[in-house]
Amino acid sequence: EVQLVESGGGLVQPGGSLRLSCAASGFTFSSYWMHWVRQAPGKGLVWVSRIDTDGSITTYADSVKGRFTIWRENAKNTLYLQMNSLRVEDTAVYYCVRGVEYGSSRIGYWGQGTLVTVSS
Amino acid sequence: QSALTQPASVSGSPGQSITISCTGTSSDVGGYNYVSWYQQNPGKAPKLMIYDVSNRPSGVSYRFSGSKSGNTASLTISGLQAEDEGDYYCCSYTSTTTYVFGTGTKVTVV
Repeated sequence: EVQLVESGGGLVQPGGSLRLSCAASGFTFSSYWMHWVRQAPGKGLVWVSRIDTDGSITTYADSVKGRFTIWRENAKNTLYLQMNSLRVEDTAVYYCVRGVEYGSSRIGYWGQGTLVTVSS
Repeated sequence: QSALTQPASVSGSPGQSITISCTGTSSDVGGYNYVSWYQQNPGKAPKLMIYDVSNRPSGVSYRFSGSKSGNTASLTISGLQAEDEGDYYCCSYTSTTTYVFGTGTKVTVV
């Protein structure tokens, strides 16, 4: 069974930093593209970033480019998102998402999410 | 990248069929057969219902089907059931190698 467990969320002041982690199990982590998607309270889904199977390709939404960094450690079956220069508008539940199938970057299976609150 | 356009709400009676539209541009929906659909219930993570326009993952009911014409994709739920209530989002790959979600549609079974 595919399991994705996010951690690292919490309350941070504007301008601060936070690192999210996503522990994967139940599949061959190194064979799948991974994504981060966020959802502000009461709002819709917004794609944030993606990374290919070995970390050589990364893509970001314009709203986070230059502030967020995605990477992965395949040996630890873990995906990360480093978030710097956080803004109030970054407040959201952040979901870790696996590609639909082997080698595909299309967005498929979701973790339960971790809440990030940016507030003074 | 602007969000794809979906109707805010769609409703139907049990047993009926409903269709949710998802309108984008030639740079996203119209340019690629990489449209997917997700169902989200309150307080829960989204669940994949359809991918690559019309493919249904294992475990998803045959009552869910997807299609695309030009810049508009559609999700049809046939034989509507109370358990189908929730929010539905479309998503498309884009020409800038990013992804964009739809605005979301609340489905109500009346």
